[in-house]
Amino acid sequence: QVQLQESGPGLVKSSETLSLTCTVSGGSMRSYQWDWIRQPAGKGLEWIGRIHSSGRTNYNPSLKSRVTMSVDTSKRQFSLNLSSVTAADTAVYYCARHVTLMGHDHWGQGTLVTVSS
Amino acid sequence: EIVLTQSPGTLSLSPGERATLSCRASQSVSSSYLAWYQQKPGQAPRLLIYGASSRPTGIPDRFSGSGSGTDFTLTISRLEPEDFAVYYCQQYGSSPDSFGQGTKLEIK
Repeated sequence: QVQLQESGPGLVKSSETLSLTCTVSGGSMRSYQWDWIRQPAGKGLEWIGRIHSSGRTNYNPSLKSRVTMSVDTSKRQFSLNLSSVTAADTAVYYCARHVTLMGHDHWGQGTLVTVSS
Repeated sequence: EIVLTQSPGTLSLSPGERATLSCRASQSVSSSYLAWYQQKPGQAPRLLIYGASSRPTGIPDRFSGSGSGTDFTLTISRLEPEDFAVYYCQQYGSSPDSFGQGTKLEIK
């Protein structure tokens, strides 16, 4: 059974960089795509971006200038960096596995990141 | 970007009733790459339907999806108490992926 677990600071200062890591267990990372999705409190879901196990990336244009994703299949991890954060970036951040024909079939439990001034 | 609009915003029904949730896209969704997710408070979303009408293993058959092009529907045939949650549609055929704003299914 594939499991995903987010980790990283729960509090980030405004204008700094938010960094999160997702650790994958119970299955291979190869040939899959790995996504980050966020959800502000009481609001809907926003797709941040995707990284293939090969390292190829695709970011949401609304965040593209501030997002960097990376993958380390040997560690079974992929990561998100979001620079120049503001209060608007406060949200629960989810990592998820994306399967081309299925969408997001496995999700992490989510981690709350608060941006403080 | 494809904008997904879900209706209604809130649906109030009783256990045993039938629920019909709608998702309309601003342009045609490629190859019916349309998914539905269920989210309960404090939990991550759970995939219910993919490819507009297919159920992943383990999803009860009371959940069904239909539609193509720009109009899609999630139907729950007979509501169970555990079905009361928020439901999101998502298109993943055109980048960027996009989600609808959600429909809250509440107990009447």
